[in-house]
Amino acid sequence: TQLLEQSPQFLSIQEGENLTVYCNSSSVFSSLQWYRQEPGEGPVLLVTVVTGGEVKKLKRLTFQFGDARKDSSLHITAAQPGDTGLYLCAGDGGATNKLIFGTGTLLAVQP
Amino acid sequence: DVKVTQSSRYLVKRTGEKVFLECVQDMDHENMFWYRQDPGLGLRLIYFSYDVKMKEKGDIPEGYSVSREKKERFSLILESASTNQTSMYLCASSRRKAFFGQGTRLTVV
Repeated sequence: TQLLEQSPQFLSIQEGENLTVYCNSSSVFSSLQWYRQEPGEGPVLLVTVVTGGEVKKLKRLTFQFGDARKDSSLHITAAQPGDTGLYLCAGDGGATNKLIFGTGTLLAVQP
Repeated sequence: DVKVTQSSRYLVKRTGEKVFLECVQDMDHENMFWYRQDPGLGLRLIYFSYDVKMKEKGDIPEGYSVSREKKERFSLILESASTNQTSMYLCASSRRKAFFGQGTRLTVV
């Protein structure tokens, strides 16, 4: 079974701080996606990374795919209260198109 | 805009009842998924389907079945609901990126 572990599980920071969330696996994924979920809603796709070593930026969010395509990180610069939510990584196993989700990182940004 | 619609936001059912959760997508996607989400456990895959009438078990299929008679519709069935099936249920469809419905919070009493 492919597993994705995220760390930390919970993060509470002050507005303006920087943070990094990690997503690790012993399995190789053909692509990896990051989602953000707000309370009472379904997850919403933020980004997909496909190539080992790839870096993508979305405003203050920077996503990186590991060289071996087994891990990824999400870095947020100068966090805002609007960044509060549950961040989920998900790996695409490839052949089956089955998406495997990490356990999630719950981020709270205090004003 | 992409749309995945789940039939109910909130449901309360009694133990032993048969429960149907419906999901419809308008993107002509082949792949559809049912997950349940519980605190500390993340999203766990119950079943997925990669084509009409095709289905594959996910990681936690026990107590559930699914139906995919049409491409746009994927139904999750709880044959005899139990209290440990109280959870948030999320439907998704994808080609390479997954789009989720708003979720159904099911409480079994």
